[in-house]
Amino acid sequence: DIQMTQSPSSVSASVGDRVTITCRASQGISSWLAWYQQKPGKAPNLLIYAASNLHSGVPSRFSGSGSGTDFTLTISSLQPEDFATYYCQQATSFPLTFGGGTKVEIK
Amino acid sequence: EVQLLESGGGLVQPGGSLRLSCAASGFTFSIYAMSWVRQAPGKGLEWVSAISGSGSGDRTYYADSVKGRFTISRDNFKNTLYLQMNNLRAEDTAVYYCAKDHEVAGNYFDYWGQGILVTVSS
Repeated sequence: DIQMTQSPSSVSASVGDRVTITCRASQGISSWLAWYQQKPGKAPNLLIYAASNLHSGVPSRFSGSGSGTDFTLTISSLQPEDFATYYCQQATSFPLTFGGGTKVEIK
Repeated sequence: EVQLLESGGGLVQPGGSLRLSCAASGFTFSIYAMSWVRQAPGKGLEWVSAISGSGSGDRTYYADSVKGRFTISRDNFKNTLYLQMNNLRAEDTAVYYCAKDHEVAGNYFDYWGQGILVTVSS
């Protein structure tokens, strides 16, 4: 199985900050990676698929990059509604696997 | 508008069974692969199972943690996804989400249900 490791597990930031979250796969997954945002008590929402493609309706302050084993999600200017937990997910092979999550908290 | 609505959750004793349903609307259900993803209380997301769309022979896939105990299926006439869960364990306690495969790219989830809680406890 492909293991997905996110870092950091949590980050404290202020509105307007640039935030970067990393995700590392235990083996190469090309660009088969997604990022999701989840708020408490809600289902996850897709942000980025295929490593760098912005899902429909997602604000352009979100961006993704990387390929192979190392990936990043960047929020260019953090907004109040962005405080949430973010997960990466590999989509190259079954079983599909998620990273452990990164909680973005208010500083 | 795409909608996914789970039902069938609740409290069950260890060793018991439960069948989850996910009623889909707003898209051509039959052609999309569908998955179940769960989240234990206070924990991260865990993919559970997937079933392919029509034209792919209803292929099924399972996480090792549920293989042999859970069965995924679909009824394309009723636009409904199912998860039959047998021999339930305490560690199966979680919110279960059904999720639709992405419009153009497989194995990503562009729509999710609201989730349904399954509690396994005596």
